[in-house]
Amino acid sequence: AQSVTQLGSHVSVSEGALVLLRCNYSSSVPPYLFWYVQYPNQGLQLLLKYTTGATLVKGINGFEAEFKKSETSFHLTKPSAHMSDAAEYFCAVSDRADSSYKLIFGSGTRLLVRP
Amino acid sequence: NAGVTQTPKFRVLKTGQSMTLLCAQDMNHEYMYWYRQDPGMGLRLIHYSVGEGTTAKGEVPDGYNVSRLKKQNFLLGLESAAPSQTSVYFCASSYGQGLTQYFGPGTRLLVL
Repeated sequence: AQSVTQLGSHVSVSEGALVLLRCNYSSSVPPYLFWYVQYPNQGLQLLLKYTTGATLVKGINGFEAEFKKSETSFHLTKPSAHMSDAAEYFCAVSDRADSSYKLIFGSGTRLLVRP
Repeated sequence: NAGVTQTPKFRVLKTGQSMTLLCAQDMNHEYMYWYRQDPGMGLRLIHYSVGEGTTAKGEVPDGYNVSRLKKQNFLLGLESAAPSQTSVYFCASSYGQGLTQYFGPGTRLLVL
């Protein structure tokens, strides 16, 4: 069965520093890949997604992610963290062969931004 | 567009009580989903629907039932609530394959 691993339940960076949140998936056939962000007491909002084509995907708020098939990874990065980036981030996958198109989520990474 | 809305926002139940959570979307999406979010476990799929009048089980369906009588609404029912069902429940909808799921604001449920 498909699974998603997010390394690090908490990541702490200084304001202005690089943000790197890691995500690895388990399937041999690349799935659809998503990153969602959840601010406190809110629902999930799509940051970016990879379905096909260019492997470097740009999203909202300056985030981007690169699909690397050889590493089965889809890590999320941002060159310079801002205080407003503090939130929980979820990597999710959707199996291309699954007609329900459901999402399978990682356990999440909480990003803390230090002033 | 309101997007995806959920009612209620918060509810406290006693063990054994029943309740229904309502999800509504105004984007004409075919697919709708119910997830639960628990600390350290991400979101897990409870039930989903691929169209009006159809429902199917997800990863953690036990203790829940659903109905999709109208395309825009997806109801999640708890017939006899248990403390293990204390969680935050999210509804989502989408057009389908590879496309973005849009999430509601969540319902926080506490079962005593």
